[in-house]
Amino acid sequence: GNSVTQMEGPVTLSEEAFLTINCTYTATGYPSLFWYVQYPGEGLQLLLKATKADDKGSNKGFEATYRKETTSFHLEKGSVQVSDSAVYFCALSYRSSNTGKLIFGQGTTLQVKP
Amino acid sequence: DADVTQTPRNRITKTGKRIMLECSQTKGHDRMYWYRQDPGLGLRLIYYSFDVKDINKGEISDGYSVSRQAQAKFSLSLESAIPNQTALYFCATSDAGTSGRTDTQYFGPGTRLTVL
Repeated sequence: GNSVTQMEGPVTLSEEAFLTINCTYTATGYPSLFWYVQYPGEGLQLLLKATKADDKGSNKGFEATYRKETTSFHLEKGSVQVSDSAVYFCALSYRSSNTGKLIFGQGTTLQVKP
Repeated sequence: DADVTQTPRNRITKTGKRIMLECSQTKGHDRMYWYRQDPGLGLRLIYYSFDVKDINKGEISDGYSVSRQAQAKFSLSLESAIPNQTALYFCATSDAGTSGRTDTQYFGPGTRLTVL
């Protein structure tokens, strides 16, 4: 079935360090891929998305490229800030039956220290 | 004002009690969803609705029911709460997207439910 796997957290980095959070997926067809971010005490908000192979989503310095050959959508940022501390969720939506459902990974907690 | 609101934000209840969580949206979206979040499990879909007359079970619907009172309102009920329903509950909305595929989902702030 369709699934999303993220790297285990928590991830602890110093400010200005390079960030990678790995995400791989299993899906039939051609899903859309998303990264959502959840700041403490808040709901999830879309960070970026990509709808087809080789698309790159980007926002707020974060990037992720849809790699069909490796079924991956890794999240990267060149220089993290303390304000980036949050939980990051990778997700996919699949077009079969036009169900509109999102499948989420388990989330990766990022803690950035000054 | 927030586009997707949830009430209450926190609730503590006892086993066996009936609980209703409410969600309202001002985004004008047809599609609404209820998820629960548990540590280490991500978000799991409970129910979803594509319009007022179209309600569907998600992957973990047992023990829950929903009501779509209007395009803008989607309520989740626990008829007889049990401790393993203690979780963070999120409502979300989305448009159908240009091709009918799922577009971005917009989430409410969540309701933290504790069942003792």
